[in-house]
Amino acid sequence: SYELTQPPSVSVSPGQTARITCSGDALPKQYAYWYQQKPGQAPVLVIYKDSERPSGIPERFSGSSSGTTVTLTISGVQAEDEADYYCQSADSSGTYKVFGGGTKLTVL
Amino acid sequence: EVQLVESGGGLVQPGGSLRLSCAASGFTFSDHYMDWVRQAPGKGLEWVGRTRNKANSYTTEYAASVKGRFTISRDDSKNSLYLQMNSLKTEDTAVYYCARVSIMINSDAFDIWGQGTMVTVSS
Repeated sequence: SYELTQPPSVSVSPGQTARITCSGDALPKQYAYWYQQKPGQAPVLVIYKDSERPSGIPERFSGSSSGTTVTLTISGVQAEDEADYYCQSADSSGTYKVFGGGTKLTVL
Repeated sequence: EVQLVESGGGLVQPGGSLRLSCAASGFTFSDHYMDWVRQAPGKGLEWVGRTRNKANSYTTEYAASVKGRFTISRDDSKNSLYLQMNSLKTEDTAVYYCARVSIMINSDAFDIWGQGTMVTVSS
């Protein structure tokens, strides 16, 4: 079955830049999406179609894509950004959706 | 206000059945594909399945882990989504979220999520 691979954890100090990667063989063909999930809450969409930002999401959140890897970048990290982040995409057919294992962002 | 509210979770024995509901409000439910996503305690998100809209014949797709056991349906007249879960296993224990699929062209984003309902499969 198709898998997306994320690092389990990323740590940064406030004001620094956090980068969270997500790798998968079908990413050159399928868009990636990123979700932020805080403890006890439902996920929230922060990036869609690799690099688009929904309304209401701060400009410090951005996304990029290169080959089989997509990256979520949070510039000027704030304490409130501490959360789990999940990438999501689909297999090469587009039919079956898949989430990465999630990355816990810690703000030191 | 755009909202999704799940209900129907609870404790069920292995091999049992449960039906979850998701009530939608604040948007034109019938226009959207709708999905179920689950999250086992302390684990990551797992896609469960999808129902498309009337324009796409209400077709469904399922993750391999639930195919043949779970059935997704919808009632556009009631703005409601359902997940019928049969032959439940302990590994189906999770919070179950319903999620709206964005109506944007070529986008599969889950742009609205419910708060989730907990399903516990245990003897």
